[in-house]
Amino acid sequence: EVQLVETGGGLVQPGRSLKLSCVASGFTFSSYWMYWIRQAPGKGLEWVSSINTDGGSTYYPDSVKGRFTISRDNAENTVYLQMNSLRSEDTATYYCAKDVLWGQGVMVTVSS
Amino acid sequence: IQLTQSPSLLSASVGDRVTLSCKGSQNINNYLAWYQQKLGEAPKLLIYNTNSLQTGIPSRFSGSGSGTDYTLTISSLQPEDVATYFCYQYNNGWTFGGGTKLELK
Repeated sequence: EVQLVETGGGLVQPGRSLKLSCVASGFTFSSYWMYWIRQAPGKGLEWVSSINTDGGSTYYPDSVKGRFTISRDNAENTVYLQMNSLRSEDTATYYCAKDVLWGQGVMVTVSS
Repeated sequence: IQLTQSPSLLSASVGDRVTLSCKGSQNINNYLAWYQQKLGEAPKLLIYNTNSLQTGIPSRFSGSGSGTDYTLTISSLQPEDVATYFCYQYNNGWTFGGGTKLELK
């Protein structure tokens, strides 16, 4: 059974950084692209980043490009999301995803 | 690819057949999924690749479509189906529809 467990969320001040982690199990992690998706409170869903199987290619929407970095460690079955220069509009629940399957999410609140 | 869901709000009665629409701005090539999200919960995968039912999802849920037009159908609405439903395309980039909120009449 595929399991995706996100950690690292919390309250952070605007302009600061936070790093999310997602530990995967139940599938051959190194064979799959991985994704981060977010949902602001009361809002819709937004794709945040994608990474290919070896980590050599990454993709971002304009809203986070240059501030967020996705990476992965295939030996540890873990995907990361480094979030820098955080803004209030980054406040959301962040979900780690493998194809169309998602974890339970982790909350990030950006506030002074 | 932009996804437009309609209607944004749907009121129906228990036992009704319910149809939700998701239209893409370009061909999605059947790489479309549907999620159900209840208040305070994470989205739950219902359907992937247009019409494949995720394990454990009741058979009253079904998906169909092709090209740019896709549909989620609930054959007989149950009270526990009250939720917001999102479509998601993964053919060209990764984008979501704005959601359809389903409520009981």
